[in-house]
Parts: sequence; structure tokens; C-alpha cells
Amino acid sequence: DVKVTQSSRYLVKRTGEKVFLECVQDMDHENMFWYRQDPGLGLRLIYFSYDVKMKEKGDIPEGYSVSREKKERFSLILESASTNQTSMYLCASSPQKGAIVGYTFGSGTRLTVV
Amino acid sequence: QKEVEQNSGPLSVPEGAIASLNCTYSDRVSQSFFWYRQYSGKSPELIMSIYSNGDKEDGRFTAQLNKASQYVSLLIRDSQPSDSATYLCAVRPGGVGQNFVFGPGTRLSVLP
Repeated sequence: DVKVTQSSRYLVKRTGEKVFLECVQDMDHENMFWYRQDPGLGLRLIYFSYDVKMKEKGDIPEGYSVSREKKERFSLILESASTNQTSMYLCASSPQKGAIVGYTFGSGTRLTVV
Repeated sequence: QKEVEQNSGPLSVPEGAIASLNCTYSDRVSQSFFWYRQYSGKSPELIMSIYSNGDKEDGRFTAQLNKASQYVSLLIRDSQPSDSATYLCAVRPGGVGQNFVFGPGTRLSVLP
């Protein structure tokens, strides 16, 4: 089974800090995604990547950036954390572009910015 | 904009009953459809996928797809309290490289 691992389950950071959320998948998937999930707003796509060194903005990229230096790792960066970035962050992966299989999600990181 | 709609619920059913969860989508050329289960505080878990019109059964779960009506549903037979969760519908729109569109989810509560 594909495993998607997010480095932290819970994280508390201060306003203005630079925050790194790490995601690693172990099945050689091409596609990786970062979502945030908030009550009443559902899953919202922040950034995605179809290949190493490639990144595309999703629906809500403001205040975030990403890095994909290796195929298995996709990092989400909050440049200067703010309280409105308190959320559950979910990483997902899937096989190559155009594949019709479902995404596999990591266990999530619940980030609180104080 | 491509949309996926679900009733937010909560949908309450007694233990042993059939739970019926519904999803409609706006992109007529969508090809792939998925159901995820998400327990409170956990991440979504893929439970069913369906690509062709008709029914697909897997244990107590049946996914139903009607592309003409742009409608996909999930039936859970013999519902158990452990089925209480939020169920997300995901649709892969037509076209190359299209990312999934997720519905807002339906919260299901199975009452003992």
C-alpha cells in the first residue's frame, strides 16, 4: 500500500514564524498535493506538483510556497505564519498525470498559530 | 467553475438500516468518481471508486453512477455505528491533468 507520511501530527507556532510542513510518499508517485481543510469550507487546494521541481498554484496559494526537490518529498512553507492559517493540512499523492486512481492522503498536520 | 455538491447532513440512520449518500457534479465530461470516508480528526480514506454507469459493489458498500444525470451515490447496507463519519465525494473532471474536485462532505450518524 502507498504510504504518505506527514512529519508532524500536531504543531503549534507563533505568528510571524516560518513554518515547514513535510510530506513523503513511498510509491514513486508523480503527483503530490497540499490541501487545507476547515469546518464548513471543505478541502481547498493550496499547491500541487506533477514532477520534481515543478509546482503549480491551487485555489488558495497566498501566504504559502512549496518545494519539491526530490520526487518523494513535497514541502509546504508558510513564509510568515498568521492566525488565519490555523487549520488541518493534508498532503496527498497519486500516480502519473492523467491516472484515474484515487488520491492517497497522509494522516494530516493540525497546525495552530498563536 | 467545476462543482461537486453534497448534502451536508447530518444524515442519521438507525443501526442496520441502509444509508444513502448522494453527490451531483457539474462537469458533464467527468470520467472518474470516488468516495472517501473521513472520521473526525482523521484524514480521508478512499473506500470506493467508480468509472462506468451502473452499480459497483464492495462488501456493504455500493457505488452508483448515472452520467446522464450527473449523479453518483453511495449506499451503505447494514449500517454500523462505526460507519459514522463524513463522506466526501470526489470527481476527476474531463481533460488531461485535471485535479480532483471534492464535495463538501455529508456527515453520517448511525444510531445504535
